[in-house]
Amino acid sequence: DTGVSQDPRHKITKRGQNVTFRCDPISEHNRLYWYRQTLGQGPEFLTYFQNEAQLEKSRLLSDRFSAERPKGSFSTLEIQRTEQGDSAMYLCASSLGRSDGGNQPQHFGDGTRLSIL
Amino acid sequence: GQQVMQIPQYQHVQEGEDFTTYCNSSTTLSNIQWYKQRPGGHPVFLIQLVKSGEVKKQKRLTFQFGEAKKNSSLHITATQTTDVGTYFCAGPPSYNFNKFYFGSGTKLNVKP
Repeated sequence: DTGVSQDPRHKITKRGQNVTFRCDPISEHNRLYWYRQTLGQGPEFLTYFQNEAQLEKSRLLSDRFSAERPKGSFSTLEIQRTEQGDSAMYLCASSLGRSDGGNQPQHFGDGTRLSIL
Repeated sequence: GQQVMQIPQYQHVQEGEDFTTYCNSSTTLSNIQWYKQRPGGHPVFLIQLVKSGEVKKQKRLTFQFGEAKKNSSLHITATQTTDVGTYFCAGPPSYNFNKFYFGSGTKLNVKP
């Protein structure tokens, strides 16, 4: 179990630029979640994948955000035309699925900290 | 929309004192999980409760899930400096397993 890894750890970019983050989940985990966390707040749900299918996307997520998990393994989160308000820690988590649809513990990566200048 | 609130927002205790954080959801949850996030770290899973009224213990930590599955609590007996961190409750609403909402968190500071 090598854990969930995220890349890069830090990203500094100018407003208006596009950024892409990568998440490599624990290999046998079929569920993958993206969250956004700002200082002093809890992780905010962004989107959820089961294998390669994106089953849920937060209504808070604007059209500038898109996520993929093309082969049901790693995932990418892209933010287009970044804005100052996008500055946050972006966390990825993975978990095993249950046949009854229930939840298993989520394992988090160390996150990507995005700073918009 | 869905909201999960926790109180208190901050708690400062002397080592050895007890600590409790309360979690309240605006809608019924399918299950509830608790996570701990150390300063500069990522959330780490502590426990999951599924049944209405369920109580689970982990050493000095006691977790409870409310009868209506809308609230939960975490109680720590005789806090230690290693308990420092932010505690989050989290769970999916009963109407949609695919969503997952975290509470606002309670930040615990323990003075030696």
